[in-house]
Amino acid sequence: GAVVSQHPSWVICKSGTSVKIECRSLDFQATTMFWYRQFPKQSLMLMATSNEGSKATYEQGVEKDKFLINHASLTLSTLTVTSAHPEDSSFYICSARLGLGGSSYEQYFGPGTRLTVT
Amino acid sequence: DQQVKQNSPSLSVQEGRISILNCDYTNSMFDYFLWYKKYPAEGPTFLISISSIKDKNEDGRFTVFLNKSAKHLSLHIVPSQPGDSAVYFCAASRVHGQNFVFGPGTRLSVLP
Repeated sequence: GAVVSQHPSWVICKSGTSVKIECRSLDFQATTMFWYRQFPKQSLMLMATSNEGSKATYEQGVEKDKFLINHASLTLSTLTVTSAHPEDSSFYICSARLGLGGSSYEQYFGPGTRLTVT
Repeated sequence: DQQVKQNSPSLSVQEGRISILNCDYTNSMFDYFLWYKKYPAEGPTFLISISSIKDKNEDGRFTVFLNKSAKHLSLHIVPSQPGDSAVYFCAASRVHGQNFVFGPGTRLSVLP
């Protein structure tokens, strides 16, 4: 159980275009989803926390107008990279949390999306 | 300022031996800690967790030890297997698992 999928797994786009990445919890409802970014040989950097039905909370230094996050349902969150630039090229990973309380603190990660902006 | 540190970027261990991965944190408000394993181009996989009310948690070959006074935790893998070769991330959070902070990771290589 607790499977999280991401689509696409790999995408190449041209500078100036927008790219949407989907994160789905396949067998559970996730009230909270997280979006991370990983640079080569570096750790995961939390970009934003997304709660179903409300606006995402962005970490300091992350442009909310550039990285649009929508969490429209309990099983789907999307990250849209708008007006992409080559420096946005990275590995984007989402995670979903089962819920609050009990032992539900673990985050289950998607497989990641490799974005390359040319 | 790194709140979660993994000072060894890499570790090599012989198959069958014990692997010990270390993690230090600076924020005394952290009360929940997790270890994740990550293969290249894949998302992290949850391994084991520990809350601050415990000092040890065991799951099969994996044991996590927490020393709150030293703000240090470690992951022991016994016996180590070649399939354990991956990058291991330590993560910490405050109450109710909000906003995990990840360490930089340690690349473990288990040699056959």
